[in-house]
Amino acid sequence: DIVMTQSPDSLAVSLGERATINCKSSQSVLYNSNKNNYLAWYQQKPGQPPKKLFYWASARESGVPDRFSGSGSGTEFTLTISSLQAEDVAVYYCQQYYSFPLTFGGGTNVEIK
Amino acid sequence: EVQLVESGGGLVQPGGSLRLSCAASGFTFSNYCMNWVRQAPGEGLQWVANIKQDGNEKYYVDSVKGRFTISRDNANNSLFLEMDSLRAEDTAVYYCARGDNSGSCYRPADYWGQGTLVTVSS
Repeated sequence: DIVMTQSPDSLAVSLGERATINCKSSQSVLYNSNKNNYLAWYQQKPGQPPKKLFYWASARESGVPDRFSGSGSGTEFTLTISSLQAEDVAVYYCQQYYSFPLTFGGGTNVEIK
Repeated sequence: EVQLVESGGGLVQPGGSLRLSCAASGFTFSNYCMNWVRQAPGEGLQWVANIKQDGNEKYYVDSVKGRFTISRDNANNSLFLEMDSLRAEDTAVYYCARGDNSGSCYRPADYWGQGTLVTVSS
């Protein structure tokens, strides 16, 4: 199984400041034949189901504000919130869909400092 | 509007069985890979199983293989999860989640239901 490791577990950032979440996979999730990274990011707010933010590591889902960005390739990935807003308080998860079982990172809890 | 509505959760004793259902609407259900994902109380997300559009390919996480069975009824836009030999560690909110219509189940989920809580306890 591919193990997804996120860091940090928790992050407190001031409003308007940058938040950076890291995700590492235990093996590459880059599919060489199509050059796509099989990596997604989700946001989960309290009491709600997860919401997909990015797929293919950096393709933003429709409606996701452009202060959110996804980057990385191979085994190392980053989700960045360029200017944290109050509504961004949530737990963020990465997920690989390169191989079964599909696996998630442990989550990063983003709070306001 | 895409809607996924889970039902069938509840309290069950260890070793018992439960059948979860997911009613889908707002899209052509038969065109999509479908998933079950669970979340234990206060914990992270764990993918459980998915099923291809025609129901002929199914994938499971190891911890549920042989105990859980995913199935679908495309005529009635429904997804199911039959859970047998339930254990305390199966206690979680179970989400029905839509994959995509590319023909592959190696895809993330874009729409999720609100979930149904399964509690395994004596």
